[in-house]
Amino acid sequence: ELVLTQSPATLSLSPGERATLSCRASQSVGTYLAWYQQKPGQAPRLLIYDTSKRAPDIPARFSGSGSGTDFTLTISSLEPEDFAVYSCLQRNSWSWTFGQGTKVEV
Amino acid sequence: QVQLVESGGGVVQPGGSLRLSCAASGLTFTSHGFHWVRQAPGKGLEWVAFITSDGSTQYYPDSVKGRFTISRDDSKNMLYLQMNSLRAEDTAVYHCSRDRAVSYFDSWGQGTLVTVSS
Repeated sequence: ELVLTQSPATLSLSPGERATLSCRASQSVGTYLAWYQQKPGQAPRLLIYDTSKRAPDIPARFSGSGSGTDFTLTISSLEPEDFAVYSCLQRNSWSWTFGQGTKVEV
Repeated sequence: QVQLVESGGGVVQPGGSLRLSCAASGLTFTSHGFHWVRQAPGKGLEWVAFITSDGSTQYYPDSVKGRFTISRDDSKNMLYLQMNSLRAEDTAVYHCSRDRAVSYFDSWGQGTLVTVSS
């Protein structure tokens, strides 16, 4: 069973600062990793797919990197609307697994 | 644009059943597989079910296998989730989402709340 571990659980930063979020897989998963942003009461919003490809209309301050078991989502300069929960997603065979999420708070 | 709208949530007793629906628009329905994903209160996202674009194959995690059934009606652009033998731990907001490349989910509905309680 694939397990995705995100760290840190909470990231306390200020607008304008750089955010670095980690997603570590329990086994090698290639490059098919996605990242989502979720705000309270809203559906998840796709940010990054295939490790590093930005989804349509996603600002360039969001970037993804990594391979194998270690992946990173970077927000280069936090905007006020970026404070939210971020989750990673990976497919393994015919099962999909989410990380437990990282909350980026002010 | 793509729109997914869930309905059918509510309060049900443990052991009961519920059928969720997801109405899709703004896309060629038969070209896509779809997922159900849930989120328990204060918890992370959990994948619940997947159905292929032709409806021939379905996949489930062990937590719901044998109790939940995903289906689709291509004539109505509708996706369904039949949930039987419900447990307290099935309490969550249930979202439908569109599959892309059998890899990630790009469009999501706002979700419908299912509460399993006596």
